[in-house]
Amino acid sequence: DTEVTQTPKHLVMGMTNKKSLKCEQHMGHRAMYWYKQKAKKPPELMFVYSYEKLSINESVPSRFSPECPNSSLLNLHLHALQPEDSALYLCASSQVVSRSYEQYFGPGTRLTVT
Amino acid sequence: AQSVTQLDSQVPVFEEAPVELRCNYSSSVSVYLFWYVQYPNQGLQLLLKYLSGSTLVKGINGFEAEFNKSQTSFHLRKPSVHISDTAEYFCAVSDPDGNQFYFGTGTSLTVIP
Repeated sequence: DTEVTQTPKHLVMGMTNKKSLKCEQHMGHRAMYWYKQKAKKPPELMFVYSYEKLSINESVPSRFSPECPNSSLLNLHLHALQPEDSALYLCASSQVVSRSYEQYFGPGTRLTVT
Repeated sequence: AQSVTQLDSQVPVFEEAPVELRCNYSSSVSVYLFWYVQYPNQGLQLLLKYLSGSTLVKGINGFEAEFNKSQTSFHLRKPSVHISDTAEYFCAVSDPDGNQFYFGTGTSLTVIP
């Protein structure tokens, strides 16, 4: 099983809402990532988790809060988002954080903030 | 910091014709290079990667790429494209610690029937 799943596929939320994105993998990977991708642009790294610990936060606003409850699951909690946060949010995983290992990407959650 | 340049933002090509998507990187250290494809409304899928060894790398779906250290390039090629190859293609280099990929700006390949 080389699949990374993400739920929901689509999410529309108001600026005062609280919502969460979920990502799951069952490949035994110990590194998981959140990316943000705007239309016609490459993915931008947001967070990296290594062995369930946050190792990189790319200066992401605090309205985005990641959580890694276990080695298979990664959440992104959203609160008080802005319309410019509308984007495709991609989750990825790799065996470990190492330049030798490719990242496996999920299909993404398309977020619209109204 | 490392950077990746994809000079062609859009490449239209007729079905069954060959295609080359260009990628150049800048780095003073050894690099690990990747090509990913993103079909409409989907995540990214790895096409191929270069870590070391043979400079000609074979990937999935008939794609291949050649690592050229002197020209700091990693161009992607396919001898005969299909309609189903229409997608966005990203070249990426891994940073030395493996914490992240530096992605190019992407090339939109459109295969014309």
